[in-house]
Amino acid sequence: DGGITQSPKYLFRKEGQNVTLSCEQNLNHDAMYWYRQDPGQGLRLIYYSQIVNDFQKGDIAEGYSVSREKKESFPLTVTSAQKNPTAFYLCASTSLGGGQDEQFFGPGTRLTVL
Amino acid sequence: GENVEQHPSTLSVQEGDSAVIKCTYSDSASNYFPWYKQELGKRPQLIIDIRSNVGEKKDQRIAVTLNKTAKHFSLHITETQPEDSAVYFCAAGNSGNEKLTFGTGTRLTIIP
Repeated sequence: DGGITQSPKYLFRKEGQNVTLSCEQNLNHDAMYWYRQDPGQGLRLIYYSQIVNDFQKGDIAEGYSVSREKKESFPLTVTSAQKNPTAFYLCASTSLGGGQDEQFFGPGTRLTVL
Repeated sequence: GENVEQHPSTLSVQEGDSAVIKCTYSDSASNYFPWYKQELGKRPQLIIDIRSNVGEKKDQRIAVTLNKTAKHFSLHITETQPEDSAVYFCAAGNSGNEKLTFGTGTRLTIIP
């Protein structure tokens, strides 16, 4: 299962608090992605980054923020502005060049807002 | 942007029978169509993918077909086994923007 890791596995947060989810990869992949998974809604893209110090909003970016200071790391912050943050969060990465390739997923972080 | 629809949302088949999951997409520029399998409590994993320059691809019991004119693609699993029980996601991507749009998933249950 190595290659892309996420921590923590479970996270509990009180309303009004910001929380940061970690995603690290040692695959030397250029692009990294954050998805949110809710029952019956599949995987929805929050943010993605194709290069260090650059990132783009996905379909549901409101209430989230990211940074890409290192190629291996792409942390996601869930802010208090996110109205319904309880969900399963998945990070993924892929190499670029020569057309799209497989996205490799991390094990996920389950966030629960109390 | 791209919109991917996936059907059915749930599917139960007898062990040994075939299962078919169908997806449609909206963006004619999409040219990469992967299928992911997610077992309970685990991460999604790629099981097969197809690019727009071919119409069919097969890997043992799994096959994917693509109809670019109609903008739909399908996953076929033959001789199903209990370990095929999982949630399956289709996706569509464009090599120009390097991102995927996923379908809403199909929960496949194999009945022994």
